[in-house]
Amino acid sequence: NAGVTQTPKFQVLKTGQSMTLQCAQDMNHNSMYWYRQDPGMGLRLIYYSASEGTTDKGEVPNGYNVSRLNKREFSLRLESAAPSQTSVYFCASREDRVSNQPQHFGDGTRLSIL
Amino acid sequence: GQQLNQSPQSMFIQEGEDVSMNCTSSSIFNTWLWYKQDPGEGPVLLIALYKAGELTSNGRLTAQFGITRKDSFLNISASIPSDVGIYFCAGPRTTSGTYKYIFGTGTRLKVLA
Repeated sequence: NAGVTQTPKFQVLKTGQSMTLQCAQDMNHNSMYWYRQDPGMGLRLIYYSASEGTTDKGEVPNGYNVSRLNKREFSLRLESAAPSQTSVYFCASREDRVSNQPQHFGDGTRLSIL
Repeated sequence: GQQLNQSPQSMFIQEGEDVSMNCTSSSIFNTWLWYKQDPGEGPVLLIALYKAGELTSNGRLTAQFGITRKDSFLNISASIPSDVGIYFCAGPRTTSGTYKYIFGTGTRLKVLA
C-alpha cells in the first residue's frame, strides 16, 4: 500500500517556466489537498478537492491551478513559475470530507525556482 | 487567518530527557492532531484527539486535548535520537461542511546523544 505518492521528488525551474506536480493516492479517499511548506511558516493550504470533480481555493492559491483528474489523482500546476514559489509542496488525502478523519501526506516535492 | 501557535519553536535536549510542547488557538477546536515530520519526508500522524480532556498515548508519546478546547499538549518520555524532527499540531476548520486543517508552525526537536 503506497498511500500518497508525489512526483517528482525534486525539480529546478527557471522563472517563467511551467510545471505540473503530480499526486496520487490509493486509499480511496474522497478529499485531497495541496500544501506548501516554507521555513518558519508551517504548512499552508493552496487548494483542495473535497470530492472528484470539485476544487476550491485554500489560503495561498495565487499563481497555482489544480485538476482533480479522477478520485485517485490531484495535480498542481504552476503556469509561470516565480522565485517566491520556491518551496516544498505536500499533497495529502483524507477519508471523508465531513468527518474528523486526519490527513495522510506524501513525501513532498522540493521545488526551486531560479 | 486563524493561527495555531506552537511552543517552543525549537529545543535541544539530551537523550533520555522528557519533552513537552504545546499548541494554542484563539478558537475552539473539536479535534486536535499531532504530526511528526522527519527530515526530507512528509508529516506522519502520531496522535489524534477528539474529546476535550482526552489523554491518549502512542508508545512514549502522550497527548492531551485541553479542557478549554483551545489548546493541546504533547509529551515525549525518555527521548531517543530518532525523535529528532519537526512536530506539528493541527486542527480542523469547516467551510460549508468541508474539513480543512490548520497547521501550527512546528516545534523543531533536536536530541543530543
